[in-house]
Amino acid sequence: DTGVSQDPRHKITKRGQNVTFRCDPISEHNRLYWYRQTLGQGPEFLTYFQNEAQLEKSRLLSDRFSAERPKGSFSTLEIQRTEQGDSAMYLCASSPPLSNEQFFGPGTRLTVL
Amino acid sequence: KNEVEQSPQNLTAQEGEFITINCSYSVGISALHWLQQHPGGGIVSLFMLSSGKKKHGRLIATINIQEKHSSLHITASHPRDSAVYICAVQWEYGGATNKLIFGTGTLLAVQP
Repeated sequence: DTGVSQDPRHKITKRGQNVTFRCDPISEHNRLYWYRQTLGQGPEFLTYFQNEAQLEKSRLLSDRFSAERPKGSFSTLEIQRTEQGDSAMYLCASSPPLSNEQFFGPGTRLTVL
Repeated sequence: KNEVEQSPQNLTAQEGEFITINCSYSVGISALHWLQQHPGGGIVSLFMLSSGKKKHGRLIATINIQEKHSSLHITASHPRDSAVYICAVQWEYGGATNKLIFGTGTLLAVQP
């Protein structure tokens, strides 16, 4: 399967714990996006990488959130000191150079108890 | 007020019916996307368009740039079309990011 993959698919954690999600984009896609989707809503933009550079962060991304893409391939999204309001589906998408099209992964569903 | 508005929010249809979902947006765009999301599933891209009309199987997407409006049509609907359909745009002056701005989605249920 050469699509976008995300791991884990589901994560249940207790409030206050740290969690980390991974996204593997389609190879040769230099652009990578993280979005968050809460129940009944459309996704919202969190952050954007072009190669290894994080070029844009939403104001939704509080200081408890950090994202990296160290070698311009896979990316990680870490949430520290999770809160119940962090419960959502976290979606990753990648895009090839010179294209507006985005290819989505299956998402990681986070539940904070 | 959302920058991307979809209607209706919920739609129930009988198998075989012609379905239309509408999307309106507020500023200039470089592209508009129609996406499909099944319950618990990831998002699949159906169409990306910046003008005119595109067709793929029983799905048709149209866009009117002057009116800032797009429609997604499903002909001869089938229960397997049941899903959430999401409209998303990329702003014309959004810079190099090309991030998507999403509508809230339309939940479609097609009954046999």
